[in-house]
Amino acid sequence: GAGVSQTPSNKVTEKGKYVELRCDPISGHTALYWYRQSLGQGPEFLIYFQGTGAADDSGLPNDRFFAVRPEGSVSTLKIQRTERGDSAVYLCASSVRQGIEAFFGQGTRLTVV
Amino acid sequence: QQQVKQSPQSLIVQKGGISIINCAYENTAFDYFPWYQQFPGKGPALLIAIRPDVSEKKEGRFTISFNKSAKQFSLHIMDSQPGDSATYFCAASKGSGGSNYKLTFGKGTLLTVNP
Repeated sequence: GAGVSQTPSNKVTEKGKYVELRCDPISGHTALYWYRQSLGQGPEFLIYFQGTGAADDSGLPNDRFFAVRPEGSVSTLKIQRTERGDSAVYLCASSVRQGIEAFFGQGTRLTVV
Repeated sequence: QQQVKQSPQSLIVQKGGISIINCAYENTAFDYFPWYQQFPGKGPALLIAIRPDVSEKKEGRFTISFNKSAKQFSLHIMDSQPGDSATYFCAASKGSGGSNYKLTFGKGTLLTVNP
């Protein structure tokens, strides 16, 4: 595709459930980032992948959050035992390589009820 | 700890006017300062960026002014248009050799340009 694609666009889940959010980066982009944007706030860094490996996961809030990128392309952000405080827009971005302009997807709006 | 403080929270400007958004940072290790534009339901899009070796950068109607000693930078939008109405975020990151991946964002400014 032409840009970063995130699915689903919206996800409503019940407290305590498990969710997976998917990111398809721009073809050929080796660097992939996840950010979280709460209402009225700027995006906050969660995790950065260079290729298949998580080069920096210091932004993950706790061990309920996990992300993978097994083949160096598509990435999945996984949230276990969701809490209402996890409600936010989860943004994915990719770049040709680390340090070059990152292009953001439209985000997945997660609502935990 | 809010490392990048952005003001104002919202801004209303008449068409043709100048929009000015300000940001201040705390971490002197930051060396890359981009501005992002975000429309409702969309992801942020890079508008313009500056590094601390210059004091000003201009691209079309958009100008970044940078004051390293004051640890402040600002976005000026000249001849503001209704299509500029969006939320604007300043951001900063640190690193050398292009390792500027971890962006720290301000809280955003909602700009409304009235026709």
